[in-house]
Amino acid sequence: DQQVKQNSPSLSVQEGRISILNCDYTNSMFDYFLWYKKYPAEGPTFLISISSIKDKNEDGRFTVFLNKSAKHLSLHIVPSQPGDSAVYFCAGLGGGRLTFGEGTQLTVNP
Amino acid sequence: ETGVTQTPRHLVMGMTNKKSLKCEQHLGHNAMYWYKQSAKKPLELMFVYSLEERVENNSVPSRFSPECPNSSHLFLHLHTLQPEDSALYLCASSQAASGGVWATDTQYFGPGTRLTVL
Repeated sequence: DQQVKQNSPSLSVQEGRISILNCDYTNSMFDYFLWYKKYPAEGPTFLISISSIKDKNEDGRFTVFLNKSAKHLSLHIVPSQPGDSAVYFCAGLGGGRLTFGEGTQLTVNP
Repeated sequence: ETGVTQTPRHLVMGMTNKKSLKCEQHLGHNAMYWYKQSAKKPLELMFVYSLEERVENNSVPSRFSPECPNSSHLFLHLHTLQPEDSALYLCASSQAASGGVWATDTQYFGPGTRLTVL
């Protein structure tokens, strides 16, 4: 049972445009949602999180939106830069467990 | 005993001390993780160990040194820490698939070690 799903394995965006990465979940007990970025051969880097009682959190170019009724969250990157090209993981935290999605490969073209 | 255990549960140390945190998982997993959770901050991944790879968060200072002697045990060695290192340190484990530690969807956490650096 995949509790956190990232249905798009890849996304390609033009530099300067908005990147929208999506994530769906089935577990209503998650307290927090987190987004990580991972470059090849490097460890993941924490990007941004959101509490389950919020619907939006913004940090610089990154904004995470949470729609609890739809059990959906999204990460917006504006403007996208070539250095943003990486794999992005969303994760739900709850009940002592951190559950990751499969990841989405974002490619930002110059 | 089941799950993921961590010892000690609480630790107070001076800046010149050397101490180690211990984690043990009884779930038959092949990947283990160290996280740091500071007040008002979310989880920060510090280190990952699996049968295939070791992954480090490059922002973690060298005063934190992990050791993973086998798939069931994980240590975090601490030396010359700073007061800002005071936090809750969480260990987790998971079953990593052949695609690597990130080809898994659930990590199981221990209760954490509450570290205070004076």
